[in-house]
Amino acid sequence: AQSVTQLDSQVPVFEEAPVELRCNYSSSVSVYLFWYVQYPNQGLQLLLKYLSGSTLVKGINGFEAEFNKSQTSFHLRKPSVHISDTAEYFCAVSLSGGGYNKLIFGAGTRLAVHP
Amino acid sequence: DSGVTQTPKHLITATGQRVTLRCSPRSGDLSVYWYQQSLDQGLQFLIQYYNGEERAKGNILERFSAQQFPDLHSELNLSSLELGDSALYFCASSVGAGTGGEQYFGPGTRLTVT
Repeated sequence: AQSVTQLDSQVPVFEEAPVELRCNYSSSVSVYLFWYVQYPNQGLQLLLKYLSGSTLVKGINGFEAEFNKSQTSFHLRKPSVHISDTAEYFCAVSLSGGGYNKLIFGAGTRLAVHP
Repeated sequence: DSGVTQTPKHLITATGQRVTLRCSPRSGDLSVYWYQQSLDQGLQFLIQYYNGEERAKGNILERFSAQQFPDLHSELNLSSLELGDSALYFCASSVGAGTGGEQYFGPGTRLTVT
């Protein structure tokens, strides 16, 4: 079975500072990795995904993530955050190669950007 | 706007009742997914349909059922409701059935059971 651990439930940061949201996963088979963002009172939006290839993945809104197979991690980073980045961020995995597309989510990290 | 629509936005009902949540996927998407988001369980996958057929099942309770119709919209039926069923229910859609494809999420239906 697969599982996802988001190591921080809340991350406060000042505007224009860098941020890293941590995600570790557990799986005995190959997985695909995703980061989703949920703004208040909205659905989830895909930030970026890793399927294969380069381990550094760039996404929307200036976010990037690095896949580290040996550490089973997929941490999300942004060099300079804005107030508008305040939201909940979810790391997720799905089995690679399956004929279905079930996402398993972490518990989420609430990013609070302060002026 | 993801292009996925869900109705109703809010639903308040009593224990023991039955409700139906409706989802219309993005134009061209054949897969529909249902997820439950609650404070204690987080975001959980319930079920996936692809072109009318059930494709994958998660921890969906026996009191819950879903279907996808020929026009590709989907309904999630929740019966014998309990207080613990109070949650945000999301529908998502994607073009294909297989893993790796981007899922587009609707705004959710907030269910409150009193």
